[in-house]
Amino acid sequence: GQNIDQPTEMTATEGAIVQINCTYQTSGFNGLFWYQQHAGEAPTFLSYNVLDGLEEKGRFSSFLSRSKGYSYLLLKELQMKDSASYLCAVRGPYGQNFVFGPGTRLSVLP
Amino acid sequence: NAGVTQTPKFQVLKTGQSMTLQCAQDMNHEYMSWYRQDPGMGLRLIHYSVGAGITDQGEVPNGYNVSRSTTEDFPLRLLSAAPSQTSVYFCASSYSRGNEKLFFGSGTQLSVL
Repeated sequence: GQNIDQPTEMTATEGAIVQINCTYQTSGFNGLFWYQQHAGEAPTFLSYNVLDGLEEKGRFSSFLSRSKGYSYLLLKELQMKDSASYLCAVRGPYGQNFVFGPGTRLSVLP
Repeated sequence: NAGVTQTPKFQVLKTGQSMTLQCAQDMNHEYMSWYRQDPGMGLRLIHYSVGAGITDQGEVPNGYNVSRSTTEDFPLRLLSAAPSQTSVYFCASSYSRGNEKLFFGSGTQLSVL
């Protein structure tokens, strides 16, 4: 089976940096994805890691360590619009089926 | 380009009623899936399809049926609604090859009384 854990809630200040952690235990691994979900809306893709290391995309970076079953999403220069839930998802060994973590609700304060 | 279109956005049912949630995509994606999202539990896979005529069960399939007669459409049927099926439902699609991200529909808020 697969189990994914994330902090439930985080709070940060506008302009700051925040790191959202994700730990996973899986019977197979074929990539880790991060999605952003604003309240009442659909999830949208943020980043993807399949190999160990850091992937950078503008203000967002994602890191993966497969040996530790660990990933984090780093958000820099926080803006009010970054207030949302951030979902960690592991793609299994077969096809496109994903297992999602419970999500981390981030509140950005002025 | 509409992407993934999901209807209805809101629905209220009485226990025992049946209904169909519609999902259509215009991106020629082979893979389509249905998730439900409940507070504190994340998205859970209900059913999925890797192509027309092919469907399979996900993590929480009981009480739901699907079919895939065309590449574009993937409806989700609730056979006899129960209060435990109160949830937000998302349809998602992607290409099957490579490491492709999911594209999500806008969601259906379903309440079963």
